[in-house]
Amino acid sequence: NAGVTQTPKFQVLKTGQSMTLQCAQDMNHEYMSWYRQDPGMGLRLIHYSVGAGITDQGEVPNGYNVSRSTTEDFPLRLLSAAPSQTSVYFCASSLGASSGNTIYFGEGSWLTVV
Amino acid sequence: AQTVTQSQPEMSVQEAETVTLSCTYDTSESDYYLFWYKQPPSRQMILVIRQEAYKQQNATENRFSVNFQKAAKSFSLKISDSQLGDAAMYFCAYRSVYSGTYKYIFGTGTRLKVLA
Repeated sequence: NAGVTQTPKFQVLKTGQSMTLQCAQDMNHEYMSWYRQDPGMGLRLIHYSVGAGITDQGEVPNGYNVSRSTTEDFPLRLLSAAPSQTSVYFCASSLGASSGNTIYFGEGSWLTVV
Repeated sequence: AQTVTQSQPEMSVQEAETVTLSCTYDTSESDYYLFWYKQPPSRQMILVIRQEAYKQQNATENRFSVNFQKAAKSFSLKISDSQLGDAAMYFCAYRSVYSGTYKYIFGTGTRLKVLA
């Protein structure tokens, strides 16, 4: 069972570069989301999607773009990387509101911006 | 806005002993879910236990149990018979029943060390 798959697992970027963190889930989940985890802080919601074609901002959306063209994929784009975006990124998915409220996380993507 | 507070940045426990991790939260809502997640060095987030606020009975999963005090807004995790594999960061999390299942509010975490 693949679950939630994130790629790449590690990435080093230079300031100003762009990149996309990929996320795919094979559980036919409606909801997908991106979180970032910084030292001394819990996970914070960046963007989320409640279905294909529908996305919205979370708590810390600045500097990130998302799209949801299919149910399975939810990529996170950094348009112009900044050192403040150095973090561990988690993609997550879950069934809709009628689910048992379990969220499934990917294994995380370590991003360093130098 | 809801908040989750974990006031213990780090805890230690001897192998086979019992340890309790604290979590308090603030909300004006009456119905919600609370979770404990474990994050080992691999960084993967693993669900340990969850509690529905409308249930008075404390949730239990094998060696893990919670003490849910709704009026006090407290949600502590007790780990019995601690094992070396329990060493990890533990995050307490809140989710409203009125928001989507994507919107979790996490505490800052407690690092648990298990001493052999």
